[in-house]
Amino acid sequence: DVKVTQSSRYLVKRTGEKVFLECVQDMDHENMFWYRQDPGLGLRLIYFSYDVKMKEKGDIPEGYSVSREKKERFSLILESASTNQTSMYLCASSLPYSNQPQHFGDGTRLSIL
Amino acid sequence: DAKTTQPNSMESNEEEPVHLPCNHSTISGTDYIHWYRQLPSQGPEYVIHGLTSNVNNRMASLAIAEDRKSSTLILHRATLRDAAVYYCILRWDDKIIFGKGTRLHILP
Repeated sequence: DVKVTQSSRYLVKRTGEKVFLECVQDMDHENMFWYRQDPGLGLRLIYFSYDVKMKEKGDIPEGYSVSREKKERFSLILESASTNQTSMYLCASSLPYSNQPQHFGDGTRLSIL
Repeated sequence: DAKTTQPNSMESNEEEPVHLPCNHSTISGTDYIHWYRQLPSQGPEYVIHGLTSNVNNRMASLAIAEDRKSSTLILHRATLRDAAVYYCILRWDDKIIFGKGTRLHILP
């Protein structure tokens, strides 16, 4: 089975801190994604990557950046955390075709104080 | 963007079949229909997908209307562990756009 592992289930940081969320997948998938999930808003795509060192903006990239130096690892970076970035963050990976499913990690619940 | 419409919530009795509807009247010919579900405190989980024909797997069945403007996810015998939010999604490239989904309640 595909495994997508997010480095932390819960994380608490302070306003203005630089925050790194890490995601690793073990199935050699080309595509990787970062979403955030908020009550009433559903899942929203922040960034995705279809290859090493490649990235594309999703629907809500403001305040975030990403890094993909290795195929199996995709990092989400909050350059200067703010309270409105308190959310559940979900990472996913998939093969690069529209008939392929995305496989999700269990999420990181991030609180910015 | 292609969009889907699902009921906000549904209830079903344990051990009975469940039919979860989804409307996607603006679907285009290259859109795949995907279903995911999200159990409490977990990330979304892939359930099933199809293009034109009905599909079956160990988790569920997917019935697609002939005009492809709607589809139905069928859980043949619901259990309490099937209580989750179910998302119907159209996928035309690498991106997925999640809607609000249907919250399924299973009554014992």
